[in-house]
Amino acid sequence: QLQLQESGPGLVKPSETLSLTCTVSDGSISSSTYYWGWIRQPPGNGLEWIVSVYYSGTTYYNPSLKSRVTISVDTSKNQLSLKLNSVTAADTAVYYCAGGYSSEKEFGYWGQGTLVTVSS
Amino acid sequence: EIVLTQSPATLSLSPGERATLSCRASQSVNSDLAWYQQKPGQAPRLLIYGVSNRATGIPARFSGSGSGTDFTLTISSLEPEDFAIYYCQQRSYWRTFGQGTKVEIK
Repeated sequence: QLQLQESGPGLVKPSETLSLTCTVSDGSISSSTYYWGWIRQPPGNGLEWIVSVYYSGTTYYNPSLKSRVTISVDTSKNQLSLKLNSVTAADTAVYYCAGGYSSEKEFGYWGQGTLVTVSS
Repeated sequence: EIVLTQSPATLSLSPGERATLSCRASQSVNSDLAWYQQKPGQAPRLLIYGVSNRATGIPARFSGSGSGTDFTLTISSLEPEDFAIYYCQQRSYWRTFGQGTKVEIK
């Protein structure tokens, strides 16, 4: 089954860009079977969806974050990347990479999550 | 934005009891409603999608029901490993999550 692993800096300064990578194993990121996304969770709070992307490249963004988010897929490395620019303390959260079956359009597979703190 | 309101915020029950969790949407989400379980320090786990379809490997004691704006997750008989936070999520219009219901041991 799919395995996902997030990686990236745990500390980002305010106004800078948060960059995270998700490495996918035991499944092809370019397969029409799957569907990918990023979700975040501020400490002690609930879940917030950031972005979803299909194998075709069709991408859906949370409207409240769309202007700051860039997502990319590197099929040669089987990786999904997230960039969030102009970060503030409100962007401090555990960031999860997730995947699922395109037929279900839900996230059945999750990475362990990575905590990103925005602080000077 | 579709707002999902979950109730109760906390449910205190004993193992073996039945748990009934509610999720109400601010407008119809059709059948695009899922439920996730999250334990401390872990990623969420998909339980139910499309209102009532159990995800792969999910025990039969978990069931989902509802339509339109009102949905329910039922755990027929709580096992010790079921004490966790449960989130509903809709993908009918963008994707939003409820604020969660904590199922705790009484």
